[in-house]
Amino acid sequence: KAGVTQTPRYLIKTRGQQVTLSCSPISGHRSVSWYQQTPGQGLQFLFEYFSETQRNKGNFPGRFSGRQFSNSRSEMNVSTLELGDSALYLCASSLAVNLNTEAFFGQGTRLTVV
Amino acid sequence: KNEVEQSPQNLTAQEGEFITINCSYSVGISALHWLQQHPGGGIVSLFMLSSGKKKHGRLIATINIQEKHSSLHITASHPRDSAVYICAVGGTTNKLIFGTGTLLAVQP
Repeated sequence: KAGVTQTPRYLIKTRGQQVTLSCSPISGHRSVSWYQQTPGQGLQFLFEYFSETQRNKGNFPGRFSGRQFSNSRSEMNVSTLELGDSALYLCASSLAVNLNTEAFFGQGTRLTVV
Repeated sequence: KNEVEQSPQNLTAQEGEFITINCSYSVGISALHWLQQHPGGGIVSLFMLSSGKKKHGRLIATINIQEKHSSLHITASHPRDSAVYICAVGGTTNKLIFGTGTLLAVQP
C-alpha cells in the first residue's frame, strides 16, 4: 500500500512568487491535513480537508490556501511568497475527520524562499 | 505557556539504556499521538492513544487522561532510535497541536 506522497520534495522560489504543493493521500483516506514546520515555530496546523471541503483552518494569512479534489488529492498554494514562508510543509492523511484516526505523514516539501 | 509541553528537550543516552520522554497538555483531547522525525524531515506515526497503554516492539506509550500526561518509553535503546520525538494532541478533528519535540541521540 503506497504511503502519502508529496511533490515536489524540494523547491526554491523568490519573494513575491507563488507556489503550489501537492499531496496524494493513502488510497481510501479522505482527510488531508497540512502543516508547516519551521525552526522557530515548530509544527503548526495550516488546514484540513475532507471530501473536498475545508473543515478546519489554522492561524495563517489568506496567502495560504488549499483545495481537495474528488480523488482526495490535495494542493496547497502560497501566494506572494515571503522569506518567512521558508519551511518544511507536511501533509498527513487519515481515514476520516471526526473519528480522530491515525495520521500518516508524507516526507514533506522543503520550500526555500530567497 | 504552550498547550503541549515535552520534556526533556534534548536527551543523550548510551546504547541499551531505558529512555523516557514526557508530554503534558492543557487542553481537552480525544487522542494523543507520538511521532518520530528523522533528519530529512519525514514523520512517522508511532502511536495514537486515547487511554491506557500501547506497545510496539521496544516502544511503549502510556497516557493518563486525568493527569493530562503521556510518556513514551524506549527499552534497550539503539543508535537507530536517534531522532526527534514529537507529541501531538487532537480533539474531535484531525487538527493537531504539537509539542516542541525531544531530540534523542543514542550513542553506541
